[in-house]
Amino acid sequence: GQQLNQSPQSMFIQEGEDVSMNCTSSSIFNTWLWYKQDPGEGPVLLIALYKAGELTSNGRLTAQFGITRKDSFLNISASIPSDVGIYFCAGQMLQGAQKLVFGQGTRLTINP
Amino acid sequence: NAGVMQNPRHLVRRRGQEARLRCSPMKGHSHVYWYRQLPEEGLKFMVYLQKENIIDESGMPKERFSAEFPKEGPSILRIQQVVRGDSAAYFCASSPPSTETQYFGPGTRLLVL
Repeated sequence: GQQLNQSPQSMFIQEGEDVSMNCTSSSIFNTWLWYKQDPGEGPVLLIALYKAGELTSNGRLTAQFGITRKDSFLNISASIPSDVGIYFCAGQMLQGAQKLVFGQGTRLTINP
Repeated sequence: NAGVMQNPRHLVRRRGQEARLRCSPMKGHSHVYWYRQLPEEGLKFMVYLQKENIIDESGMPKERFSAEFPKEGPSILRIQQVVRGDSAAYFCASSPPSTETQYFGPGTRLLVL
């Protein structure tokens, strides 16, 4: 089935550092979404990308939809302690309401 | 506007029992999705429903699992004769018609003893 490869699997950084993570796929996706999951909670939507090449920001977060439609990255600038959690990329192969395919997640740990 | 509601948040069952997980979508959302998450893994799609219709059940195990989204009331994910391998977090998401953005509930953590 479809699969998203997300890297890195985990990151250990100092507070204030910038963070970058990415997702790649062998298949084309029409929509890319980035979620954050805190322990014991459901994923919370951070950024949604709908067009190839699109670059979107949400505060300190920036994400891009790759021009080939097979990849996306998420950057977090000037990390703070509340950024700790697991970040997931997710893609949809068709437009409109469709199932999401998730990456394996990137676990972010921040040393104060 | 309340978010996606799921209950119970935690459910403990013995092998062979039935588990019923409930999901109330956000107001105005007519599409419901169920996902399963094993520890240290991403979410895996199970089923996509609209009111009174199953649209895509390609991720549902062939046996023991069923889902419904009746005209009135919450969506139900039902697992019959649970086994230890069913232990996982089950998440529900909802979306308005014809949009890509899915909003997730807090999940139900199922533990099978």
